Amino acid sequence: DGGITQSPKYLFRKEGQNVTLSCEQNLNHDAMYWYRQDPGQGLRLIYYSQIVNDFQKGDIAEGYSVSREKKESFPLTVTSAQKNPTAFYLCASSQGEPQHFGDGTRLSIL
Amino acid sequence: SQKIEQNSEALNIQEGKTATLTCNYTNYSPAYLQWYRQDPGRGPVFLLLIRENEKEKRKERLKVTFDTTLKQSLFHITASQPADSATYLCAPLSMNTGFQKLVFGTGTRLLVSP
Repeated sequence: DGGITQSPKYLFRKEGQNVTLSCEQNLNHDAMYWYRQDPGQGLRLIYYSQIVNDFQKGDIAEGYSVSREKKESFPLTVTSAQKNPTAFYLCASSQGEPQHFGDGTRLSIL
Repeated sequence: SQKIEQNSEALNIQEGKTATLTCNYTNYSPAYLQWYRQDPGRGPVFLLLIRENEKEKRKERLKVTFDTTLKQSLFHITASQPADSATYLCAPLSMNTGFQKLVFGTGTRLLVSP
């Protein structure tokens, strides 16, 4: 079945460490997105990519980096510069509307 | 700034009743608005999209209205079932940064008891 796969489901980060969250889609969608979800807040857009080899900062890009070398893959790196990384991270893709989401990665600090 | 308001308190209803969830937005005029369902520990799942020129949209037991004058969308689930218990997110489209993006509300948790 077509869909979006995020891995790992749970991830722990040590102080000063960079970690990478994986997002793969087999829907053949051009656009992909990364959101962060915190309790009591709506989804906030971190980065988005409308096409392969191109991506743009969203509303809260500081401390994060992405790449889009393949259409089906859009990994997110949470760098040590992100001082409050504990959150639920959601990846989505779309071809027009609507957006299709993965089941998220929960990142915690050790 | 653009703001999306959904009832932060959980909505508790009995099975068989109609659930009505509210989404209010301020400081912009979205061309359309989407509703998603999110279960705990899962990603949101798309339910319905309603455009600014549509007053009402239906899909099975779901109904969405869109009042651009009141800047409000209402989401109804008729004949509610315990399986409808989840958090429901509204997401109006925003274009203020030159890129079309969805702005998500915080969601309203619906609890349907047998």
